[in-house]
Amino acid sequence: AQSVTQLDSQVPVFEEAPVELRCNYSSSVSVYLFWYVQYPNQGLQLLLKYLSGSTLVKGINGFEAEFNKSQTSFHLRKPSVHISDTAEYFCAVATTYFDMRFGAGTRLTVKP
Amino acid sequence: GAVVSQHPSWVICKSGTSVKIECRSLDFQATTMFWYRQFPKQSLMLMATSNEGSKATYEQGVEKDKFLINHASLTLSTLTVTSAHPEDSSFYICSARTGVNEQYFGPGTRLTVT
Repeated sequence: AQSVTQLDSQVPVFEEAPVELRCNYSSSVSVYLFWYVQYPNQGLQLLLKYLSGSTLVKGINGFEAEFNKSQTSFHLRKPSVHISDTAEYFCAVATTYFDMRFGAGTRLTVKP
Repeated sequence: GAVVSQHPSWVICKSGTSVKIECRSLDFQATTMFWYRQFPKQSLMLMATSNEGSKATYEQGVEKDKFLINHASLTLSTLTVTSAHPEDSSFYICSARTGVNEQYFGPGTRLTVT
C-alpha cells in the first residue's frame, strides 16, 4: 500500500517569512497527492492536489506544491505566511481509488 | 462546491451502548465513501471503504463487527460503533468520492464514550 512521511512534526516561523512543509511518499503504483489543512476541532480543508499534468500545483491561500517523481516528494510552500496560517497540515497520498493515506501531520505555528 | 455532512457533530454515549454516525453527500452522488478515525493530536487513519450496495472493505486491524458500515444509497453511509468503550472515543471523519475524481470530507463527528 502507499504511504506518506511528513518530515517535520512542528515548524515554527515568524510572520511574513517563507515556509516549506516537507512530504515524501512511497507507492508501487501511480498516485494522487494532496495537502489538507485542519484547524482545531474542525474537519479537513483541501489546500491543493496533484492528479496529473503540471508538477507545480497552486492552491488556495497562496500555497503551492511541487510534485517531484524522482525524489518521491510533494513539498508544500508559501512565500509569506500569516498568523492565520497557524494550523495542522496533512499530506496525503491515494491510488486511483482515492483510498487516502495521511502523513502524521505538521504543526505550523506562525509567530508575530 | 460539493458538500458532505455528518450527523451528529458530537455525541456522548455510555460504555456498552451503540452509536450511529451518518455521512451524507448533499448535492452529489458518491460512488464511494470512506471512514477515517483521528485520535487527539494524531493523523487520520483510514478505517474502511464502502461502495453503495456492497459490503465495506475494512483496513487491517479494524474490527468489522465493532464498526458496522452500511452504504444504503449513493448519498448516505452510516458508521455504527457497537458496544462502545472509552477507547473508541475519537474524531470520526467521512469522505465521499464523486465520479470525476473528486473527494470531499465531512466536518467530522466527535465521539466521547463515558
